[in-house]
Amino acid sequence: DARVTQTPRHKVTEMGQEVTMRCQPILGHNTVFWYRQTMMQGLELLAYFRNRAPLDDSGMPKDRFSAEMPDATLATLKIQPSEPRDSAVYFCASGLRGVQPQHFGDGTRLSIL
Amino acid sequence: SQQGEEDPQALSIQEGENATMNCSYKTSINNLQWYRQNSGRGLVHLILIRSNEREKHSGRLRVTLDTSKKSSSLLITASRAADTASYFCATDQGAQKLVFGQGTRLTINP
Repeated sequence: DARVTQTPRHKVTEMGQEVTMRCQPILGHNTVFWYRQTMMQGLELLAYFRNRAPLDDSGMPKDRFSAEMPDATLATLKIQPSEPRDSAVYFCASGLRGVQPQHFGDGTRLSIL
Repeated sequence: SQQGEEDPQALSIQEGENATMNCSYKTSINNLQWYRQNSGRGLVHLILIRSNEREKHSGRLRVTLDTSKKSSSLLITASRAADTASYFCATDQGAQKLVFGQGTRLTINP
């Protein structure tokens, strides 16, 4: 079965360090989403792309977060500088024709000390 | 405010029993989707119901949608231990993105 692949699966780093999370969407999917999941806030949409173009990043703190799609097989989410409140599980999802349905990776569990 | 509020937040039943979870939302939608999340894994799509549909079945899953009440329910029949997971509803409001609820934690006791 085709799957969304996220790396790394776990990341522990100190406050102030740069964090880069990567996502390989399912081949042929034209929409990529980044979500953050915490116990308090649940699943929040950070940003999404269609055909590699950013469509909406209103859920993302702009001063420290950035999301890009250098090519159709790679999406990245960067945090610089990282803060303890960024600790969460970050999910990437991809889809064909937008929101119907979305296929999720297994996430990157991020801990900022 | 968050769309797709699930109820109950947690549900614990015996294997073989039926499990019902509810979802309420606030604005008009194109469709509503249900997802399952096992511990430590990503969400998995279960079923999609369009706004002009009232009921949909997939194996042991039955989903209903009442647009007049802005609510949906997910019924899992003859539950199994493997059904233990969190279940989320997600609404497509036509803005090219989904809004997820907080989820229902379902525990199936052997």
